[in-house]
Amino acid sequence: DTAVSQTPKYLVTQMGNDKSIKCEQNLGHDTMYWYKQDSKKFLKIMFSYNNKELIINETVPNRFSPKSPDKAHLNLHINSLELGDSAVYFCASSRAAGSFGNTIYFGEGSWLTVV
Amino acid sequence: SQQGEEDPQALSIQEGENATMNCSYKTSINNLQWYRQNSGRGLVHLILIRSNEREKHSGRLRVTLDTSKKSSSLLITASRAADTASYFCATDVIGRNTPLVFGKGTRLSVIA
Repeated sequence: DTAVSQTPKYLVTQMGNDKSIKCEQNLGHDTMYWYKQDSKKFLKIMFSYNNKELIINETVPNRFSPKSPDKAHLNLHINSLELGDSAVYFCASSRAAGSFGNTIYFGEGSWLTVV
Repeated sequence: SQQGEEDPQALSIQEGENATMNCSYKTSINNLQWYRQNSGRGLVHLILIRSNEREKHSGRLRVTLDTSKKSSSLLITASRAADTASYFCATDVIGRNTPLVFGKGTRLSVIA
């Protein structure tokens, strides 16, 4: 059983398009995240949700809109895609919000290429 | 801003040798964690060390923490080709309810 699953794994799309990445976790965790990993492997937090409520929004352009229909799902919608959006996007979850003692469980990543 | 920074950026060793990776961070922490990322995969948690601990072991992994120097090291003993991956340290920040902050990672290559 996959703990954190995200789809699609690969996505190639043209500039200006809108795309979504879906994420689901079956760990019963309260908190979910979106991280972005750039070509230099730097992993940066984008959003964090706790029990469907947004708690962290790290200066991400408003073209990125997360949506959490329930605490097991956190989807990421991206409008008007730009070349610089090309990256690997990781969904993740943890038992609780904050980082004290929390282990983060990551999905396998979604490779987004904007051409 | 980036909290943890791993050193070296890349490390290449022969199978059977030990691999040591270091992590330095900037602010006081509650705990420090190490994660591993195989090529094309997500990150996987390896080990957590609390700020009041100095050393922790898990199988072939040994982690040390020196809060006075704001640094940690990850030692993998008797490395195997399957240990080839990127290794990241991740820290929290005392007093802030924020997710873990990751470094840029050390890319380890173990040559058979």
